[in-house]
Amino acid sequence: NAGVTQTPKFQVLKTGQSMTLQCAQDMNHEYMSWYRQDPGMGLRLIHYSVGAGITDQGEVPNGYNVSRSTTEDFPLRLLSAAPSQTSVYFCAIGRTRLDEQYFGPGTRLTVT
Amino acid sequence: QKEVEQDPGPLSVPEGAIVSLNCTYSNSAFQYFMWYRQYSRKGPELLMYTYSSGNKEDGRFTAQVDKSSKYISLFIRDSQPSDSATYLCAMSGGNYGGSQGNLIFGKGTKLSVKP
Repeated sequence: NAGVTQTPKFQVLKTGQSMTLQCAQDMNHEYMSWYRQDPGMGLRLIHYSVGAGITDQGEVPNGYNVSRSTTEDFPLRLLSAAPSQTSVYFCAIGRTRLDEQYFGPGTRLTVT
Repeated sequence: QKEVEQDPGPLSVPEGAIVSLNCTYSNSAFQYFMWYRQYSRKGPELLMYTYSSGNKEDGRFTAQVDKSSKYISLFIRDSQPSDSATYLCAMSGGNYGGSQGNLIFGKGTKLSVKP
């Protein structure tokens, strides 16, 4: 997971709370993305960015916001947490969306 | 039909066995194919990257792509207990494959190699 850091590693939220998952990279890659991984569902793309100032929705964007003001950082915001957002969240980076994607270590989120 | 299908396993083999992992897909525009390995409670890491059809070998790992059958495989020779992990296939069609060109992942196959 070199080059990609995610904080926090673990988080427990109550329904309705908001929070921001942080993702930072030091590889100067343009492409950054957020996935969630659930048992039996695999990795599903939430949001992605092809460069600073550019973001777009993936397969499961509802309930999440992103912004990309710098190349290095790509935070994921949960606006009003729901139990359905209990999951493991991974940030990934790549030179482009088609190149090798480097994944962060993940954030384990539980919403009660 | 889902775009990428992968048998979740679990698959258990003895040490030294040849392992075959497979994915099928439905989108004929896919041309970038990857295999990721994910250890428990870790992020995925890239094992193999293949463009279009053919074979690619890296040490004990061989990736095969058969676009005519829409079928990709990962072979692990002389499997080791350290190969015990979940293996994820991923693919994309670039600008022509839908999903805005982003990778689409299979659900992963859990492999256990017994000493």
